[in-house]
Amino acid sequence: QVQLVQSGAEVKRPGASVKVSCKASAYIFGNYYMHWVRQAPGQGLEWLGVINPTGGSTTYAQKFLGRVTMTRDTSTTTVYLELSRLRYDDTAIYYCVHSGWDDWGQGTLVTVSS
Amino acid sequence: IQLTQSPSPLSASVGDRVTITCRASQDIKTYLAWYQQKPGQAPKLLIYAASTLQSGVPSRFSGSGSGTDFTLTISSLQPEDFATYSCQQVDSYPFTFGPGTKVDI
Repeated sequence: QVQLVQSGAEVKRPGASVKVSCKASAYIFGNYYMHWVRQAPGQGLEWLGVINPTGGSTTYAQKFLGRVTMTRDTSTTTVYLELSRLRYDDTAIYYCVHSGWDDWGQGTLVTVSS
Repeated sequence: IQLTQSPSPLSASVGDRVTITCRASQDIKTYLAWYQQKPGQAPKLLIYAASTLQSGVPSRFSGSGSGTDFTLTISSLQPEDFATYSCQQVDSYPFTFGPGTKVDI
């Protein structure tokens, strides 16, 4: 059974950066891309981008270009999402999602507040 | 690619046949998935490739469509089906989601 375990909730000031981790287990890490999706309170789902764990190549949603960075550590089978220059409307639950789309992390609440 | 859903919200009763529509702004062939989400939970994949039922999902759920028009049907609504349903296109980046349809009593 694929397991995706994310890091804990974060509270950040506007303008700061946040880095969320997602540790994957129970499958071959390099065989599946990993996506990041977020959901603001009471809102729909929004795709941020995807990383290929094998080579580290990424594709980001244009909306987040310049602010988002996805990386991975193959030695620990962990992927990371870093979002910089945080704004109040970045407050959301951030999910990592296996590329089969049937396995999601538990979500990480990022709150941007002064 | 933009996705729209209708109706929203949707009021229904146990035992009802429920149909939710998702429309894409351009041809996505059958690269469409449906999710169910309950409060406080991550989305759950119900259907992929427009009409393929994900393993473990009850057979009362079904999907159809291709191109730009898609439907999710629940043949007989059960109490545990009251939730929000969202479509997603995986034809091309950026992958996008519909706004969601809340099914309530």
